Amino acid sequence: GDSVTQMEGPVTLSEEAFLTINCTYTATGYPSLFWYVQYPGEGLQLLLKATKADDKGSNKGFEATYRKETTSFHLEKGSVQVSDSAVYFCALNPDQTGANNLFFGTGTRLTVIP
Amino acid sequence: EAQVTQNPRYLITVTGKKLTVTCSQNMNHEYMSWYRQDPGLGLRQIYYSMNVEVTDKGDVPEGYKVSRKEKRNFPLILESPSPNQTSLYFCASSLAQVLNNEQFFGPGTRLTVL
Repeated sequence: GDSVTQMEGPVTLSEEAFLTINCTYTATGYPSLFWYVQYPGEGLQLLLKATKADDKGSNKGFEATYRKETTSFHLEKGSVQVSDSAVYFCALNPDQTGANNLFFGTGTRLTVIP
Repeated sequence: EAQVTQNPRYLITVTGKKLTVTCSQNMNHEYMSWYRQDPGLGLRQIYYSMNVEVTDKGDVPEGYKVSRKEKRNFPLILESPSPNQTSLYFCASSLAQVLNNEQFFGPGTRLTVL
């Protein structure tokens, strides 16, 4: 079945450090891939997405490239800030049901310290 | 302001006492969905609805009911809550006719069943 595997957290980084959060997926078709972010006490917000192989999604300095050959969609940021502290979820839409159903990873908590 | 609202935000109840968590969106979205978030499991879909009077089971529907009598509302009903339904619940909505469109999440409802 369709699923997403995310790197386990928590991740603690110093401000301005480089961030990578790994995400791999299993899907029978051609899924779309997403990163959502959850700030403390809030609901999830879309951070970026990619709908086909080799697409790069980017937003707020974060990037992720849809790699079909490695079934991956790793999240990266060159220089994190304290305000980036949040939980990050990788997700996929199998794109086969006609619905916008999302399958989420378990989430990775990022803490950035000054 | 475009938003998804949920009520209540926090609820403590006892086993077997029926409860309803309301969800409302003001974006005229066709698609609505309920998720539960549990530590180490990420978000799992409970039910979703493609439009008025159209609902379908997600991954973990047991113990829950939903209804979609109006486009803007999608209440989640627990007829006889049990302690294993203690969780953080999120409602989400999106345009149905645009696949892979962003899902907008509510702020969450933290439910404790004693």
